[in-house]
Amino acid sequence: AQSVTQPDIHITVSEGASLELRCNYSYGATPYLFWYVQSPGQGLQLLLKYFSGDTLVQGIKGFEAEFKRSQSSFNLRKPSVHWSDAAEYFCAVGPPLASGTYKYIFGTGTRLKVLA
Amino acid sequence: DAGVTQSPTHLIKTRGQQVTLRCSPKSGHDTVSWYQQALGQGPQFIFQYYEEEERQRGNFPDRFSGHQFPNYSSELNVNALLLGDSALYLCASSLAGEGGYTFGSGTRLTVV
Repeated sequence: AQSVTQPDIHITVSEGASLELRCNYSYGATPYLFWYVQSPGQGLQLLLKYFSGDTLVQGIKGFEAEFKRSQSSFNLRKPSVHWSDAAEYFCAVGPPLASGTYKYIFGTGTRLKVLA
Repeated sequence: DAGVTQSPTHLIKTRGQQVTLRCSPKSGHDTVSWYQQALGQGPQFIFQYYEEEERQRGNFPDRFSGHQFPNYSSELNVNALLLGDSALYLCASSLAGEGGYTFGSGTRLTVV
């Protein structure tokens, strides 16, 4: 079955500390991989995406993610967290183009709290 | 350049009623997908529209239906509303042949 697992429901870090949010997926083929951020009551903003190529992907707001095929993981990292990073983060997988399917699967999210 | 626009922002309906949510995709996008996000959950795929046809559907009952217009805008209709339909409904647009969505801010539907 296709699924996305974000094992950490809540994470609390101090401002300036490093951050890693975990994401594991189960999918038949290598999917497209995404991280989105959602502020309260808002829609989802794309942080970064991986389609192919270099397994270390740079995104907006200083975030990066690393695709590890052997571990079926796509973990999100940031070296120094800012108070404005407090939000909910969603990992998602999407089908490769020309696969004939179009459904994206999202994890249940990780809520990040940043301590001043 | 406008992003994805959804209306209304908030909506309160009574059980058994019908509701229509609207979405205008990002300029240049031709594909619209709808997702339901229940409180504390990740978005769940409802369906996707391309070339005015439903291209794929998720595990949602027939009470959920949609439409795409020639200008690529889209509507989501939900009939016979249940309390469990209370959620944030997200519209996402994309360009066929390219991966990745642009999401709107959503419509918060409350069924009482």
